[in-house]
Amino acid sequence: GAGVSQSPSNKVTEKGKDVELRCDPISGHTALYWYRQSLGQGLEFLIYFQGNSAPDKSGLPSDRFSAERTGGSVSTLTIQRTQQEDSAVYLCASSLERGATYEQYFGPGTRLTVT
Amino acid sequence: GDSVTQMEGPVTLSEEAFLTINCTYTATGYPSLFWYVQYPGEGLQLLLKATKADDKGSNKGFEATYRKETTSFHLEKGSVQVSDSAVYFCALTGVSGGYNKLIFGAGTRLAVHP
Repeated sequence: GAGVSQSPSNKVTEKGKDVELRCDPISGHTALYWYRQSLGQGLEFLIYFQGNSAPDKSGLPSDRFSAERTGGSVSTLTIQRTQQEDSAVYLCASSLERGATYEQYFGPGTRLTVT
Repeated sequence: GDSVTQMEGPVTLSEEAFLTINCTYTATGYPSLFWYVQYPGEGLQLLLKATKADDKGSNKGFEATYRKETTSFHLEKGSVQVSDSAVYFCALTGVSGGYNKLIFGAGTRLAVHP
């Protein structure tokens, strides 16, 4: 079946602009996660959704970052007033349910470059 | 908070050599432990996992044993191939902060040459 998909695969934006990154999880997966992979910080957790609610937003680095999930499916990560330090690969993952026994399946990522 | 430390790379080996990538963790309670692999140009894939002490995870010739006494989860393979060249990430999900997020090590790049 189809895996996790993300769009766009690459995004170049100017400092100060807003960007939206999209994640389509595997159908039927209730849990969805966003991570960020950057040279300086490695792989960091950003936010977790169970259904449409986000019980753990502890990894969002600032209030410029927000995310939503609709219909228990698609999720959008929005970064407002982008800064150069936001440049990274943004990864989305989904799992059938929450909990460590359920494998997280990762998408290919969106590479964001802020100029 | 919880954390994962893994050996810095790059690790460069000849084909058929023995591989060890060290991973140690700090966590409260009893975390689950994972190795993920990222092949060039591809996304992260789960390689193996162990959910309790003394469990051994294995896949594709790779093995790792959950050692609670040494808080370690070292990755081993007896004979590496060129196709194993990738970045390997050790990770945990644990009690603190919930079971729903992965905490990753910095990653270790492995290069295997013929």
